[in-house]
Amino acid sequence: DAGVIQSPRHEVTEMGQEVTLRCKPISGHNSLFWYRQTMMRGLELLIYFNNNVPIDDSGMPEDRFSAKMPNASFSTLKIQPSEPRDSAVYFCASRPPISSEQYFGPGTRLTVT
Amino acid sequence: GDSVTQMEGPVTLSEEAFLTINCTYTATGYPSLFWYVQYPGEGLQLLLKATKADDKGSNKGFEATYRKETTSFHLEKGSVQVSDSAVYFCALSRDDKIIFGKGTRLHILP
Repeated sequence: DAGVIQSPRHEVTEMGQEVTLRCKPISGHNSLFWYRQTMMRGLELLIYFNNNVPIDDSGMPEDRFSAKMPNASFSTLKIQPSEPRDSAVYFCASRPPISSEQYFGPGTRLTVT
Repeated sequence: GDSVTQMEGPVTLSEEAFLTINCTYTATGYPSLFWYVQYPGEGLQLLLKATKADDKGSNKGFEATYRKETTSFHLEKGSVQVSDSAVYFCALSRDDKIIFGKGTRLHILP
């Protein structure tokens, strides 16, 4: 059974460029979460969706960040323009209905130079 | 607001030593409690959970008991292995979200 799939696994880009991170949740899961992990701030929730609808985006750091979930099997997190301080590991997680457990993907390591 | 506090690391132990990682929480009501583990280069994985007071979660030799009176959920293992080296996160559920502690890095020496 496939877990949460994220792509790319590693991304290196220059400051000012647009970055798009992708996530495919586990089939049948109806909630999706985007997190950012850094040494300084630990694990931060950026945004989450229920049934493809954004519920809470209060963790999105600023307008440069946006997330979409056009259907139940795909979500994107976009940073435009990217800055060096955006360098982090970005995780996607999904959750099945009537459960509090989240299942994490392997993460995307983003480096902005 | 709700929060989770866990002991700072890194924690370094020899193989076969006894492990305790302390975790306390602040929350209204009765949240579910979790321990997640993150191995190098990977995402977080659920290690164990407990959904109500006095429940004991267990998995892979790890245990934690939901203590409402002390608002704690300490992680224990009787004999650690090198393969247990990872970062461990204590967490609680609140509404639709999970609130994570800052993580405790564990190093096991052979």
